[in-house]
Amino acid sequence: AQSVTQLGSHVSVSEGALVLLRCNYSSSVPPYLFWYVQYPNQGLQLLLKYTTGATLVKGINGFEAEFKKSETSFHLTKPSAHMSDAAEYFCAAIIQGAQKLVFGQGTRLTINP
Amino acid sequence: EPEVTQTPSHQVTQMGQEVILRCVPISNHLYFYWYRQILGQKVEFLVSFYNNEISEKSEIFDDQFSVERPDGSNFTLKIRSTKLEDSAMYFCASSEEQGLNQPQHFGDGTRLSIL
Repeated sequence: AQSVTQLGSHVSVSEGALVLLRCNYSSSVPPYLFWYVQYPNQGLQLLLKYTTGATLVKGINGFEAEFKKSETSFHLTKPSAHMSDAAEYFCAAIIQGAQKLVFGQGTRLTINP
Repeated sequence: EPEVTQTPSHQVTQMGQEVILRCVPISNHLYFYWYRQILGQKVEFLVSFYNNEISEKSEIFDDQFSVERPDGSNFTLKIRSTKLEDSAMYFCASSEEQGLNQPQHFGDGTRLSIL
């Protein structure tokens, strides 16, 4: 069965530091992969997606993620954290031909001044 | 940018009562979805809907749940007889096409509290 695992339910970094949020998937075939962000009292906003082609994908707000098939990973990074990046981040996967998104448990990102 | 809108933002209901959560998907989208997130847990898929019928549903989506597109704009989730464990945030989503290059766009959610 397909599953998505996010390592670390809570990540705390200093403003200006590198942000690294980890995501691994378990699937017999490489799924399509997404990162969503949820700000307080808001819905899920798409940050970026990987479907096919270039394995390094860039998203909004300076975030990027790299699909590594050999590691079954899709980690999210940002070179320099900003206070406005504080939010909950969800990695999600969808199998080709399927309809439902399978989500990881989420990682709450805190930015320290 | 077009948005998925959900009403109400917060619904408080007595156990055993019926509740209807409403969603207005993005206007040119054809696929509609409901997800829920129980406090402290993962976002879970409930159901997908296309061409006026359910195309996929999860084990959670039992006979107490139903979905409907009563007109050209609204997409509703009905829980017939609510239980305490139905308390969660419910998210509606829509997409132009199935999965793939057309991602699902989410609303802000309805927080359902069952007393």
